[in-house]
Amino acid sequence: DAGVIQSPRHEVTEMGQEVTLRCKPISGHDYLFWYRQTMMRGLELLIYFNNNVPIDDSGMPEDRFSAKMPNASFSTLKIQPSEPRDSAVYFCASSLILAAYGYTFGSGTRLTVV
Amino acid sequence: TQLLEQSPQFLSIQEGENLTVYCNSSSVFSSLQWYRQEPGEGPVLLVTVVTGGEVKKLKRLTFQFGDARKDSSLHITAAQPGDTGLYLCAGEDSGYSTLTFGKGTMLLVSP
Repeated sequence: DAGVIQSPRHEVTEMGQEVTLRCKPISGHDYLFWYRQTMMRGLELLIYFNNNVPIDDSGMPEDRFSAKMPNASFSTLKIQPSEPRDSAVYFCASSLILAAYGYTFGSGTRLTVV
Repeated sequence: TQLLEQSPQFLSIQEGENLTVYCNSSSVFSSLQWYRQEPGEGPVLLVTVVTGGEVKKLKRLTFQFGDARKDSSLHITAAQPGDTGLYLCAGEDSGYSTLTFGKGTMLLVSP
């Protein structure tokens, strides 16, 4: 398996533009997670899905953030409109049934909003 | 929200030295995991500990889960430059499938 695949690896956009981050989880994993990592706050859970259904989106900072998982092999995280404070590394991770099995992370998308 | 405090935040040592990093919380976790993250990559799982007092070894790395399942430590023997990276601990909330991460310890091992 190729692991969790994220695209793009880097994104630079202007404030106010729409940004879409993409993720392909590991086949057979039931859970998909979106995290954001910054120096100040570390890794923060934004939202997670179980069998394509959003379970907890309480970590999504504002209505400008939205996430979808239309099928078991694809998820998107969208920011509209983007702001400079959204600059961070965004990670997608997937896991088997329980967290105790561990998460497999993608390589992340480094987002810079200027 | 259950918080995990990691210490030290940053550690710079010479090759061959031993070190210990810590992960502490006031909350009890069902399990605790350690990850290592290299620059430009996502965290990679090193180990999961489940039972209070459990000790696991992974080559030169020794992981221990506290008896009360609130804290953990990672000890590295004879550190090597390849051990350089950000070490993250993550606790699993009882009854949930999510992990709460600490902010990590950045380890730099110089030749």
